[in-house]
Amino acid sequence: EVQVVESGGGLVKPGGSLRLSCVVSGYTFSSAWMTWVRQAPGKGLEWVGRIKGKTDGETTEYAAPVKGRFIISRDDSKNTAFLQMNSLKTEDTAVYYCIPHWAYWGQGTLVTVSS
Amino acid sequence: DIQMTQSPSSLSASVGDRVTITCRASQYINSNLNWFQQRPGKSPKLLIYRASSLQSGVSSRFSGSGSGTDFTLTISSLQPEDFATYYCQQTDTTPRTFGQGTKVEI
Repeated sequence: EVQVVESGGGLVKPGGSLRLSCVVSGYTFSSAWMTWVRQAPGKGLEWVGRIKGKTDGETTEYAAPVKGRFIISRDDSKNTAFLQMNSLKTEDTAVYYCIPHWAYWGQGTLVTVSS
Repeated sequence: DIQMTQSPSSLSASVGDRVTITCRASQYINSNLNWFQQRPGKSPKLLIYRASSLQSGVSSRFSGSGSGTDFTLTISSLQPEDFATYYCQQTDTTPRTFGQGTKVEI
């Protein structure tokens, strides 16, 4: 059974930083292209970015609203993906999901950016 | 970026109804389209991939069709557990944009 567990969310002030983690089990993590998607309270789904697998060069891509502020990385030895979020804005408030495959979603972790 | 537009944004239906949701892409995406269901307080669930392929374990009352720019999700006979919000998503190019969602209510 595939399990995806995100963690690291919380309350942070505007301009602050936060690092989210995502542990995947029951799936071939090393070859997975890890995607982050977010959902603001009461709103729809927004693609944040992704990191390709090692064999594909671990290339990263980002959505325009987060490019230059967010960094996605991975540690294949720990089956873990990360989302480093810097210069946070109130509009980054959302539940953040980590996705190794569109069929497998975690429960998400809530990030609240507020003063 | 490719814009995905769903219609309607919401609809009211009854148990047993046939429901159709449409999704239009702003440019050609071949059959690179997913459909998701999200119940309140839950994570999204993949229903359909590649526009018309039913995800394993998903009820056969869900079906998808279309290619190019116009797509539909059909629920053949609405069940109580189907009251939820549905999203389309293109997987043709990055960013992998989603539609704004269609809320199916009683």
